[in-house]
Amino acid sequence: KQEVTQIPAALSVPEGENLVLNCSFTDSAIYNLQWFRQDPGKGLTSLLLIQSSQREQTSGRLNASLDKSSGRSTLYIAASQPGDSATYLCAAHNNNDMRFGAGTRLTVKP
Amino acid sequence: DTGVSQNPRHKITKRGQNVTFRCDPISEHNRLYWYRQTLGQGPEFLTYFQNEAQLEKSRLLSDRFSAERPKGSFSTLEIQRTEQGDSAMYLCASSGRGLADTQYFGPGTRLTVL
Repeated sequence: KQEVTQIPAALSVPEGENLVLNCSFTDSAIYNLQWFRQDPGKGLTSLLLIQSSQREQTSGRLNASLDKSSGRSTLYIAASQPGDSATYLCAAHNNNDMRFGAGTRLTVKP
Repeated sequence: DTGVSQNPRHKITKRGQNVTFRCDPISEHNRLYWYRQTLGQGPEFLTYFQNEAQLEKSRLLSDRFSAERPKGSFSTLEIQRTEQGDSAMYLCASSGRGLADTQYFGPGTRLTVL
């Protein structure tokens, strides 16, 4: 059974800092790993999807990496902004199953 | 492409009542997923469809939960004899043809059972 863990649970940084969010998973037989953003009371917005054969994906100030052998993924956010404040979730997609971590709640202070 | 839509957005019901939620996926997507999310947790996978076929339903929380996608387009999730523990956000997502495709989520239906 796949288990996904995200550390830290919460993070507060001043505006402009670069930061890294961590995601670990126990079963490396994944199709892909996806990072999402969730604003309070809202649905999830897909940020980046890394296929199992890929090592990283980039979109704007976001970069996500995947190391299947160690069961880890990281989401790097450059030059953080107050608008980046949200909960960030990672999800590992195995056969007929998608497991989410509990998320990292990010606050970027102006 | 108008995105994934869910109705209603909020539902308040009394314990023991049945409720039904609807999800309309992105039109060209053939895969549709249902999740439940409780406060402070990530979404919990419930079931998914490929076209009208329900390929995984063992993760439905109990036999009070059922889902349909009769024509391979919209889907409904029904909860019978609701309990207070069913209070949560119910999320729907859709994706394209591949297992590795990005899932796009709807805004969710927030259920409160009194």
